[in-house]
Amino acid sequence: EAGVAQSPRYKIIEKRQSVAFWCNPISGHATLYWYQQILGQGPKLLIQFQNNGVVDDSQLPKDRFSAERLKGVDSTLKIQPAKLEDSAVYLCASSPGFLDTQYFGPGTRLTVL
Amino acid sequence: GENVEQHPSTLSVQEGDSAVIKCTYSDSASNYFPWYKQELGKRPQLIIDIRSNVGEKKDQRIAVTLNKTAKHFSLHITETQPEDSAVYFCAASIRQAGTALIFGKGTTLSVSS
Repeated sequence: EAGVAQSPRYKIIEKRQSVAFWCNPISGHATLYWYQQILGQGPKLLIQFQNNGVVDDSQLPKDRFSAERLKGVDSTLKIQPAKLEDSAVYLCASSPGFLDTQYFGPGTRLTVL
Repeated sequence: GENVEQHPSTLSVQEGDSAVIKCTYSDSASNYFPWYKQELGKRPQLIIDIRSNVGEKKDQRIAVTLNKTAKHFSLHITETQPEDSAVYFCAASIRQAGTALIFGKGTTLSVSS
């Protein structure tokens, strides 16, 4: 079974620039999550999708972050404009449904200079 | 808001010893409690999980116990090996609109031979 795929793996940008991350979940997984993991901390949920609908985006900084999941499969997370404090690893995870095991992708390490 | 506290933040043991990591959670509606292992630069990997209708679960050298009354759960690793060295995160499902996870801050386990 192929795992969760993410790209790019690393990204370095200047503050105020924009950046986008891509995630391809495990085939058939209805639920997709984006987490932000700051160095030395646990992952923090940004947004949760069920198929192509948003279930929970209460912790997404909507003034600068946006996410979409077209056709209920791939998802993109965008930051515009980026701030220094956005430097983190952005993890995508998927699960077959609610309360099922979440499988994480390798993450995208973002550095904002 | 909901919170998961994890202790200790660092744990050093000798090979062959046991290691115990404890977590407490605040949301009485939480009913799913996974544990993830994260090696440096790698994605979090599920090692064991427990649901609220079970008090204990064991998988070879790893066990998890859950006390719903006290709202705490623990990870037990017996006969530790150097390859057990990693950061371990506990998590609890959060009620909200979806059922995503809230993570503890992690425990860095070091097993010396």
